[in-house]
Amino acid sequence: SQQGEEDPQALSIQEGENATMNCSYKTSINNLQWYRQNSGRGLVHLILIRSNEREKHSGRLRVTLDTSKKSSSLLITASRAADTASYFCATSPTGGFKTIFGAGTRLFVKA
Amino acid sequence: DTEVTQTPKHLVMGMTNKKSLKCEQHMGHRAMYWYKQKAKKPPELMFVYSYEKLSINESVPSRFSPECPNSSLLNLHLHALQPEDSALYLCASSSPRGPERETQYFGPGTRLLVL
Repeated sequence: SQQGEEDPQALSIQEGENATMNCSYKTSINNLQWYRQNSGRGLVHLILIRSNEREKHSGRLRVTLDTSKKSSSLLITASRAADTASYFCATSPTGGFKTIFGAGTRLFVKA
Repeated sequence: DTEVTQTPKHLVMGMTNKKSLKCEQHMGHRAMYWYKQKAKKPPELMFVYSYEKLSINESVPSRFSPECPNSSLLNLHLHALQPEDSALYLCASSSPRGPERETQYFGPGTRLLVL
């Protein structure tokens, strides 16, 4: 069963706009990660936020984590056509190797 | 070298064939993973090896047989697959220790078609 659910399932925006994706999960976690996948290719790690952190930044990415609501959001600012991809949140409920990915958000950025 | 390589990129096989998928990394990672990903779905964990020992088997059918011959290599042996096994098979690795131990590095995947 999937740990994480993401919304929206798909998002289409203009270049320069911000994109926000949300992820909810069901069990306690040690950390939550976001990955990006270009069509039909491998995943690329974007950012990791630990359960004791509330917000983290990396370049144009901003991630928030609300453990009381078991949810996280990924904000991509000033989006570019090259940001077009699928974005997945991932959690490790036991803090071990087992990783469960959310359903993913497909982002399309129009030039 | 921060790359995970996978071969082949594409594979077409019949239901009676035996084939193998290969994965290699030279980052010194001691945890390696196999995932299966169907179209428009998230990756699903199949197996995890830690220090060359099978750590997690997510109740995968026995027609999939993983092997970790050394710390850099991970194989997935395929036998008597079904058409529903057609998918993108992703390999990943991670360092089992340190502050970034949960970060997984993925290969580009092998796209498998079972006829």
